[in-house]
Amino acid sequence: EAQLVESGGGLVQPGGSLRLSCAASGFIFSDYLMTWVRQAPGKGLEWVATIKQDGSEEYFLDSLRGRFTISRDNAKNSLYLQMNGLRAEDTAIYYCTMFDCWGQGTLVTVAS
Amino acid sequence: VVLTQSPLSLSVTLGQPASISCSSSQSLVSSDGNTYLDWLQQRPGQSPRRLIYKISNRDSGVPDRFSGSGSGTDFTLRINRVEAEDAGVYYCMQGTYWPPYTFGQGTKLEIK
Repeated sequence: EAQLVESGGGLVQPGGSLRLSCAASGFIFSDYLMTWVRQAPGKGLEWVATIKQDGSEEYFLDSLRGRFTISRDNAKNSLYLQMNGLRAEDTAIYYCTMFDCWGQGTLVTVAS
Repeated sequence: VVLTQSPLSLSVTLGQPASISCSSSQSLVSSDGNTYLDWLQQRPGQSPRRLIYKISNRDSGVPDRFSGSGSGTDFTLRINRVEAEDAGVYYCMQGTYWPPYTFGQGTKLEIK
């Protein structure tokens, strides 16, 4: 059974950085586009970024380009999201997904 | 692509049917002939879960009381007899014109 487990969230000050990780198991990780989706408190779902199976191409929400980086390590079955220059509006639960499977999410809180 | 769901909230008596609509700002038929319109369920305090993909295909383990229909720009999720466990928020999502993947605003389903 496919499983995704996120980690790395927490409280960070405005302007700070965090690196989220997602550990995948139960499926051939290198076969899948992988995506980060976020959900601000009490709000809907927002696509953040997607990376191709071999990591050759990355796609970002326009407003995040330049601050966030998505990467993957197929040898470790892991997906990452490097978030720099964090703002209060980045506060959200961040989910790792390939859409037919979702992780439990990791909460990022940006506050002073 | 903008996805507009209606209604935004729905209160349904146990055992009665429920229906949620999703309207797209443009046709979601892809150049490969597929229509990448999915439905997700998010129960309170849980991660999203995909129920339906490509308009009408149920994911593994999804009860057959859930069904999807539609074409082009208009789509519907139906639950033919709601159960208590169906309470939550339902989202439509398109993957035809990505990036970005886009989501509807969500429809909150309450079971009476």
